[in-house]
Order: sequence, then structure tokens, then C-alpha cells
Amino acid sequence: EAQVTQNPRYLITVTGKKLTVTCSQNMNHEYMSWYRQDPGLGLRQIYYSMNVEVTDKGDVPEGYKVSRKEKRNFPLILESPSPNQTSLYFCASSWNLSPGELFFGEGSRLTVL
Amino acid sequence: EDKVVQSPLSLVVHEGDTVTLNCSYEVTNFRSLLWYKQEKKAPTFLFMLTSSGIEKKSGRLSSILDKKELFSILNITATQTGDSAIYLCASLMNYGGSQGNLIFGKGTKLSVKP
Repeated sequence: EAQVTQNPRYLITVTGKKLTVTCSQNMNHEYMSWYRQDPGLGLRQIYYSMNVEVTDKGDVPEGYKVSRKEKRNFPLILESPSPNQTSLYFCASSWNLSPGELFFGEGSRLTVL
Repeated sequence: EDKVVQSPLSLVVHEGDTVTLNCSYEVTNFRSLLWYKQEKKAPTFLFMLTSSGIEKKSGRLSSILDKKELFSILNITATQTGDSAIYLCASLMNYGGSQGNLIFGKGTKLSVKP
């Protein structure tokens, strides 16, 4: 089954404790991206990657890191999480952006205390 | 500053009504306009619009882009309770040689009453 898989789906952590949210897709997609969704602010792009070893900042990259060492995986790293990073995070992928059809993961709800 | 603005932010209609959702954009290096539907969890793709004046249709949903006036509309005819969702509009841009920068509007929450 074609899918984008995120883990963990739910996480409660404390300020400063490094964490990684994994994202994996099985569709051989070139494009992958991360978003956060907050009430009243909508979806905001954090980082995106057009291909392996190619990553670019989105609109809200501060406090996050990503890497794209292989095509299927695009982990989101919070080196020192803070409470303002409490949010719902989505990973998405696409064959390329010409059709525009992003396939989203189920989301990861992160709470930073 | 690049921005995408959707209106209304929320809308309540009755089954059978026709609704029009609006999306305006002010972005540099515009490439395409995308519409997504978000029910309980992850957004799902509806349309991608790149050229002005060409309507895209899928069942009761249709959408069109006006690149001169910088807006798009999403129409839903004969609404059903299953259309209740948040509808998201997004602008895809070319940015610094890269083509993957995506800005979303805040969404329109549509509620369809029986």
C-alpha cells in the first residue's frame, strides 16, 4: 500500500530533550516536506527536499533540522525542543510538484512541556 | 511578504446548497495554486491550477484560477454532509532556484448541515 509513515504519532517531551520524528515513503517520491499545523495559523512549511542530499528552508525552519540521506526517508530533528514547538506535524511527499498531489502522513502530535 | 488568504474562514450551509470558497494570493515567483481537503487528519489533494481561466472539475467540485486578479475559487455544488471539512488553498512558488516552496492559507472550515 502506498503510504507516508510518520513516527511517533504522539509524543510528550520536555524542553531541551532532543527528539527525531521519522518520515518514510514507499512510493519512490523525489519531493518530501515537513509542515506544522497550529490553530489559527494553518499549515506552515518547515523544510522541503527536492531530492537526496538537497534540502531547503520553508517558512518556519527555526529550531528544526532535516536530512535526506536516502530517497525514502526525511527525518525532522528538534535539537532542543521548546514549548512553542508544540504542534501537529505532517510529513508529505510527491513524485514531483508538477501534478501537485502531495501525499500526507497521518500526522505527529508533539507536546513540549 | 508572501501570503495566501482564504475567505470565509468558516461557513455553515445546508445539504443541497452550493458554496464558493475563495483564495487570494500575493507571492513572488508564483507557479501553481493547489487545493486540499482536510477532514479528521491528513489533507487530501483536490486540484492543482497553473493556467488562468481553465476550470478543473471532479464530480461536484470545480475550481478556477485568475492569474491577473491573483485569486482562485473552489465551488461545491449540491453539498452533502460528507463535504464538511477544512479546505486548504496553497501557493507553490519558485524560490531561489528551487521549486518546492509552498505557502498555505489558513483554511475555510465548511460545515454542511442535514
